Amino acid sequence: QVQLVESGGGVVQPGGSLRLSCAASGFIFSTYGMHWVRQAPGKGLEWVTFIWYDGSKKYYADSVKGRFTISRDNSKNTVYLQMNSLRLEDTAVYYCAKDRMRGGTYIDYWGQGTLVTVSS
Amino acid sequence: EIVLTQSPATLSLSPGERATLSCRASQSISTYLAWYQQTPGQAPRLLIYDSSTRATGIPARFSGSGSGTDFTLTISSLEPEDSAVYYCQQRYDWPPWTFGQGTKVEIK
Repeated sequence: QVQLVESGGGVVQPGGSLRLSCAASGFIFSTYGMHWVRQAPGKGLEWVTFIWYDGSKKYYADSVKGRFTISRDNSKNTVYLQMNSLRLEDTAVYYCAKDRMRGGTYIDYWGQGTLVTVSS
Repeated sequence: EIVLTQSPATLSLSPGERATLSCRASQSISTYLAWYQQTPGQAPRLLIYDSSTRATGIPARFSGSGSGTDFTLTISSLEPEDSAVYYCQQRYDWPPWTFGQGTKVEIK
């Protein structure tokens, strides 16, 4: 069965950095695109970033462009989210999520999420 | 950016009743719309994609319809476990992939 396990969340000060990891199993990781989606406390879902199945293309929400970087290591079945220059408004549960296809379509599996808290 | 507007914000119904949730897009998105269910404390789950195709393992009481700008998620006979927030999401024009703000379904 598909499993996505996020790690790396925690408390960080404004302006700080954090790196999230997502270990995938139960499917051929190298043939699917991957997303990160976040959810601020008590709020709705916000798409953050997407990476093509082979890492050749990456897309970002305007709210994180220039501060966040998505990457993947297909040999380790892992996708990463490097978050720099963190702001209070980046506080959220971050979900790693698998796309149905190689490119961007819909999300068919989600991890359980990791909480990132930006606070002074 | 395509904006998705969901209505109503909250729906309160009894078990066995029919639930009708709406999602309206700011421009035509053909049938490139999905619905997700999120129960408290859990990650979202894909219910419907391409407007009307049920995802793997989703009960037949969930159905989707619509095209262009107006879409509907119908739960034909509510079960207690259907208490959740439901989100729509478009993939017609990306990035960004956008979600609606959610409809909360409460079971009386």
